[in-house]
Amino acid sequence: NAGVTQTPKFQVLKTGQSMTLQCAQDMNHEYMSWYRQDPGMGLRLIHYSVGAGITDQGEVPNGYNVSRSTTEDFPLRLLSAAPSQTSVYFCASRSSGGAGEQYFGPGTRLTVT
Amino acid sequence: GQNIDQPTEMTATEGAIVQINCTYQTSGFNGLFWYQQHAGEAPTFLSYNVLDGLEEKGRFSSFLSRSKGYSYLLLKELQMKDSASYLCARNTGGGNKLTFGTGTQLKVEL
Repeated sequence: NAGVTQTPKFQVLKTGQSMTLQCAQDMNHEYMSWYRQDPGMGLRLIHYSVGAGITDQGEVPNGYNVSRSTTEDFPLRLLSAAPSQTSVYFCASRSSGGAGEQYFGPGTRLTVT
Repeated sequence: GQNIDQPTEMTATEGAIVQINCTYQTSGFNGLFWYQQHAGEAPTFLSYNVLDGLEEKGRFSSFLSRSKGYSYLLLKELQMKDSASYLCARNTGGGNKLTFGTGTQLKVEL
């Protein structure tokens, strides 16, 4: 199993550009989430999904869209990038049952200039 | 609110024991997680508590008191590689809506 994969690893955008951060997992997990991590702020939940076709907003959803058309994939779209979206983005997944172990992807480091 | 409080930094000696505390608001509680994160890397899962008591897993143990809104992570026989940030997170509802604390940066010294 590859676990949780994210692409790209690094990205530089200009203000106003749009892009999609990709996330995929091969563990057949129902739950998937997107977080951003900023110095001194900890991990903050952007959007999450409890299954294909179901998504909901987290703590900081503004400026981001998600969709979950398959169990495996959970892309995060930045609609019009802003410097405030400069951050490290982590995707995570876990099974709906069991002891709750959540697996994180390696992260995408995004800079918006 | 969903405030989660944990100390910002701790320092301990190699071979010693360290306890990292975490307090959280009790309303809507549905599970408490601990993660380890080395600089520049993704968080990795350490433990999950949903019932009161102590969960032991090798050198790491985690304790939960739901009535007090309190958890701690206990690290025994500290090694230099344990120097990392330790993140406390609570599940705030059904599914996977986790709220994280800002993390405790642990430095292990000789």
